[in-house]
Amino acid sequence: EPEVTQTPSHQVTQMGQEVILRCVPISNHLYFYWYRQILGQKVEFLVSFYNNEISEKSEIFDDQFSVERPDGSNFTLKIRSTKLEDSAMYFCASSRTSGGSTDTQYFGPGTRLTVL
Amino acid sequence: AQSVTQLGSHVSVSEGALVLLRCNYSSSVPPYLFWYVQYPNQGLQLLLKYTSAATLVKGINGFEAEFKKSETSFHLTKPSAHMSDAAEYFCALNPGGGADGLTFGKGTHLIIQP
Repeated sequence: EPEVTQTPSHQVTQMGQEVILRCVPISNHLYFYWYRQILGQKVEFLVSFYNNEISEKSEIFDDQFSVERPDGSNFTLKIRSTKLEDSAMYFCASSRTSGGSTDTQYFGPGTRLTVL
Repeated sequence: AQSVTQLGSHVSVSEGALVLLRCNYSSSVPPYLFWYVQYPNQGLQLLLKYTSAATLVKGINGFEAEFKKSETSFHLTKPSAHMSDAAEYFCALNPGGGADGLTFGKGTHLIIQP
């Protein structure tokens, strides 16, 4: 069964450093998403991406974040200058059609980011 | 703004007993509702979803949920718990109307006692 994959599973970085989290969505899906979960808190929507542009973003997704689909398979989340409060589990998801429909979003296993 | 509340961060049941995980929502329009399960070191997997077609929704692994508009609830149940059901369960909603992102509850950790 096709699945969403994410790399790395764990990432440790120093405050102020740039990090790139990588995801490979399911191959025939058109919509891609990033969510994050700070320890002990809710899973929060960050951004959705369709047709090579951002479709929707939350208040959390400020100028330090960016997303890109650099090739036909990868979908990345870049954090330009990490802060301590960016420490969280980051989930990638994909769906065949828009999340605004009833279509299922398929999630990857997550990348745990620790900022020191 | 919409929100999801899951009552009980941890729920413990005996193997073979009824599982009931509670989810209440707040939304200005009838939402789409989802239950996801997360096993250790794995991604969130869809258990079932409510899309306004039927109020009682059956999902995978014997789980079902009933949408009750009057109570703004979407509780998850399973008649008989198995040890393999031990996991984290998340209720989520999408308000529709073109919105992409899911709004999640905080999750409920289900513990199965032998």
